[in-house]
Amino acid sequence: EVQLVESGGGLVQPGGSLRLSCAASGFTFSSYWMHWVRQAPGKGLVWVSRINSDGSSTSYADSVKGRFTISRDNAKNTLYLQMNSLRAEDTAVYYCARDVGFEYYMDVWGKGTTVTVSS
Amino acid sequence: AIRMTQSPSSLSASTGDRVTITCRASQGISSYLAWYQQKPGKAPKLLIYAASTLQSGVPSRFSGSGSGTDFTLTISCLQSEDFATYYCQQYYSYPAVFGGGTKVEIK
Repeated sequence: EVQLVESGGGLVQPGGSLRLSCAASGFTFSSYWMHWVRQAPGKGLVWVSRINSDGSSTSYADSVKGRFTISRDNAKNTLYLQMNSLRAEDTAVYYCARDVGFEYYMDVWGKGTTVTVSS
Repeated sequence: AIRMTQSPSSLSASTGDRVTITCRASQGISSYLAWYQQKPGKAPKLLIYAASTLQSGVPSRFSGSGSGTDFTLTISCLQSEDFATYYCQQYYSYPAVFGGGTKVEIK
């Protein structure tokens, strides 16, 4: 079964850091681009970041550029999102998602992990 | 960045109704449009890509149409499991952008 499982969310103070992980199974992880998409409470979906299959190319939404870093470990079938200098507006459910194939839309999604930035 | 505007933001319908949701792009995106369904507390689910191609396993009562700037998602005969929020997403150009969502509620 194709599956993505996020972890690492939690409560963090403004200015703090958090590292999210996404464990992939049931498919050849190293062949796919991967994304992070977030959803603030009661709001819509917002694309955050994308990484290509070997990790050599990344892209970010302007709102997180310079603060967030996407990475992957293909040997461990795991995607990461390092989040630094967190702000209240980063509070959201963070989903990892599989790209269909170099297209920037997503066919497999994890259940999400919740990040709350508050003092 | 391209802006995606969905309408209506919410609608009430009954089981068996035909429902149409529209999505408008701020500039032409050819057919680079996807539709997702999201139920409360759940992850989004891909329904349609390339504006009109049904994702494997999605019921045929769902259909998509349009190209350029104007797109529609139609549910031909609403079922109880279809009450959810629907999002469009353009992937014509970076960054990927989602519409604001349309919540389909029970009348």
